[in-house]
Amino acid sequence: KAGVTQTPRYLIKTRGQQVTLSCSPISGHRSVSWYQQTPGQGLQFLFEYFSETQRNKGNFPGRFSGRQFSNSRSEMNVSTLELGDSALYLCASSFGGSPYNEQFFGPGTRLTVL
Amino acid sequence: DQQVKQNSPSLSVQEGRISILNCDYTNSMFDYFLWYKKYPAEGPTFLISISSIKDKNEDGRFTVFLNKSAKHLSLHIVPSQPGDSAVYFCAASANSGSARQLTFGSGTQLTVLP
Repeated sequence: KAGVTQTPRYLIKTRGQQVTLSCSPISGHRSVSWYQQTPGQGLQFLFEYFSETQRNKGNFPGRFSGRQFSNSRSEMNVSTLELGDSALYLCASSFGGSPYNEQFFGPGTRLTVL
Repeated sequence: DQQVKQNSPSLSVQEGRISILNCDYTNSMFDYFLWYKKYPAEGPTFLISISSIKDKNEDGRFTVFLNKSAKHLSLHIVPSQPGDSAVYFCAASANSGSARQLTFGSGTQLTVLP
């Protein structure tokens, strides 16, 4: 069974630009969560999508948005990039039907904002 | 305000000895705790979890202890092996129906010396 895939793996953008990251969950998984990892901050929860609906949201500004498609693939968009948005963005998928379903993480997209 | 804290950014242990990684939390609504392991250039992988109704959970060389009164959990690895060298994240979540939002600590880099 293929794991969670994220594209692209690396991205360099400049301040003010916008970026879209993609996540393909494990086949059969309906929940996709997004996290931001920065040095010293651990993983911070961005949002979770389940069956094309945002089910949960963390404390990030509105510049961060996402969506999920009918095949459970998800995209995350960041508009008006700031230097502080440089981070590793991880997505995780799970079956989503139970709060105890294990989350499986992808390798992440490394975003650098210059 | 960090609700999940890992106060030791790094830990070095000799091969064959015990590794003890610690984690403190502040939110008394957390009822499910997890440990993840992360190698460079890979996403975190689930290691072991514990529900708040238990105080210990064991899986092979890995044991997680939960002290609810102290709001403290720890991960014991016995015996430690060089392949255990990785960043370890503890995570916690509160039951909010079908959705679960994981709150992560900042991670501890474990180095097992041969």
